[in-house]
Amino acid sequence: QKEVEQNSGPLSVPEGAIASLNCTYSDRGSQSFFWYRQYSGKSPELIMSIYSNGDKEDGRFTAQLNKASQYVSLLIRDSQPSDSATYLCAVNIIGGANNLFFGTGTRLTVIP
Amino acid sequence: DAGVTQSPTHLIKTRGQHVTLRCSPISGHKSVSWYQQVLGQGPQFIFQYYEKEERGRGNFPDRFSARQFPNYSSELNVNALLLGDSALYLCASSQGSVNEQFFGPGTRLTVL
Repeated sequence: QKEVEQNSGPLSVPEGAIASLNCTYSDRGSQSFFWYRQYSGKSPELIMSIYSNGDKEDGRFTAQLNKASQYVSLLIRDSQPSDSATYLCAVNIIGGANNLFFGTGTRLTVIP
Repeated sequence: DAGVTQSPTHLIKTRGQHVTLRCSPISGHKSVSWYQQVLGQGPQFIFQYYEKEERGRGNFPDRFSARQFPNYSSELNVNALLLGDSALYLCASSQGSVNEQFFGPGTRLTVL
């Protein structure tokens, strides 16, 4: 059973639109949630972290967490071609080690 | 401030050989985690070290080992390389044992 699931996409949106990326997780003990952006051939870059239910906004990015539904999402407003990348959802399941469980990622393409 | 550094950038080995990968965390960070990322998948947790002690180990064979030095840098060793060990090996740095993790550029290992 997968710990973290994401729609693998690809997801295509026109420039200026809102991109919505979704992630579900299986372990109710999960306490920390992260979104990473990974450009092709590069390493993951942390763009958002969220720890409590609700919304967290940072510039054009909004992370949403619903622990009851075991669901976390990332909204990208005013999408730009430079946002084209793979977005990885990661969950920290507290149990001793600070090990992140990653989804397989959603490939986003923003069309100019 | 310098980010996480890793060396080498690329490495080509043959089956049965041994490899050592190196990582230096962000200045002030005391925890290093290692991940393996194969093409099309999210990173998979291998080890976490905090204050020079192993805090967690993922589901990898004993051919994989690691250590952390007094300056908080770390080495990942892989013995008896298999073709399936070909992957991007990522080092992530965090301040404490349960904090946001920041990735280095990775080492691309190819096993022939």
